Amino acid sequence: RKEVEQDPGPFNVPEGATVAFNCTYSNSASQSFFWYRQDCRKEPKLLMSVYSSGNEDGRFTAQLNRASQYISLLIRDSKLSDSATYLCVVGGYGGSQGNLIFGKGTKLSVKP
Amino acid sequence: AAGVIQSPRHLIKEKRETATLKCYPIPRHDTVYWYQQGPGQDPQFLISFYEKMQSDKGSIPDRFSAQQFSDYHSELNMSSLELGDSALYFCASSYPILRGLGETQYFGPGTRLLVL
Repeated sequence: RKEVEQDPGPFNVPEGATVAFNCTYSNSASQSFFWYRQDCRKEPKLLMSVYSSGNEDGRFTAQLNRASQYISLLIRDSKLSDSATYLCVVGGYGGSQGNLIFGKGTKLSVKP
Repeated sequence: AAGVIQSPRHLIKEKRETATLKCYPIPRHDTVYWYQQGPGQDPQFLISFYEKMQSDKGSIPDRFSAQQFSDYHSELNMSSLELGDSALYFCASSYPILRGLGETQYFGPGTRLLVL
């Protein structure tokens, strides 16, 4: 079982739609959580860190549920430029607190 | 704002050759991480350095080695290259605001290595 699991999609949505991505992680000792976006053949770019209290950045809202080991990302009012692969990322645990563990990503395609 | 710099951006090598990838972290970032992303795969952690010392090791093959220098740049040395080493190699850097709690990592543009 992969340590970070995501629905690979693709999610095909019209402009203006609201879309939600979910992610689960297997190790309860994980300490940090992020959403990155990756465009084709480019580097992962940090979208936002995720905190237990939830956090919002413009059209993007992230939530963390430690009890369920579940992370979510909500995108409101989708734009064409939101089309990308969204990577759920968990910071290591125990002696490996620096390295990141990536999910396989959820592909989003926003259509006009 | 300054970003992570990687060189070269593209590299073509033959089997059994060696390759050296370079990474220059964001200024004042003292921690460097290397990741390998194969075609259609998610990035896999290879190795990291903090203050010029190896801080963590992931799925890095024995044929690969890396180090961090006094100016904090890092080099990934790859020997006896195999076809399966063809991938995107990302370097990321972070500034340890709170050590041990997963510092935010910023990725460079990557080096695309093709082994023929």
